[in-house]
Amino acid sequence: DGGITQSPKYLFRKEGQNVTLSCEQNLNHDAMYWYRQDPGQGLRLIYYSQIVNDFQKGDIAEGYSVSREKKESFPLTVTSAQKNPTAFYLCASRRGVSTDTQYFGPGTRLTVL
Amino acid sequence: QKEVEQNSGPLSVPEGAIASLNCTYSDRGSQSFFWYRQYSGKSPELIMSIYSNGDKEDGRFTAQLNKASQYVSLLIRDSQPSDSATYLCAVSGTALIFGKGTTLSVSS
Repeated sequence: DGGITQSPKYLFRKEGQNVTLSCEQNLNHDAMYWYRQDPGQGLRLIYYSQIVNDFQKGDIAEGYSVSREKKESFPLTVTSAQKNPTAFYLCASRRGVSTDTQYFGPGTRLTVL
Repeated sequence: QKEVEQNSGPLSVPEGAIASLNCTYSDRGSQSFFWYRQYSGKSPELIMSIYSNGDKEDGRFTAQLNKASQYVSLLIRDSQPSDSATYLCAVSGTALIFGKGTTLSVSS
């Protein structure tokens, strides 16, 4: 069963904690992306990776970090430096060419307590 | 900064009517255009992609592209209550660039 999985579905963070959101895909896609969505807002790009061991900042990278050690995996760490992390986080992937369709995982909803 | 603009809505239509959703984009060099549907609390799912000027039909959905006017639209014929959702327009780039979405409400 091919697709993109994200875990956990819900995550609660205390002030000052770092948390890591998991994203795994078995679609053999080269490119992977992290977006953030706030209520009533569109999707804003946090980080993206077009190849293993390489990634670039998106529009709102401050307070976040990523790694891409394997083609299948692109975890996102929300650090304590991110001042307002409560949001819906979406991971996506696509084969690689910019005309290709981008597919989304089910998302992780992060809440700061 | 590349931008994608959509009316936020809500757009309200009765069941069986045609819903028309519009989108404009700023980058004249954009090549690919996508419409996603997003139900509340869920992730976006692809409805249509369009790459050439003109119309592309898939069931009750028709996407229209006019590159000269930098305009993309989505028509939903015979709208159903299950079509009630937020519709996101996206334009290709290194990553997809999304509009803020238009909320559609179909009343029975």
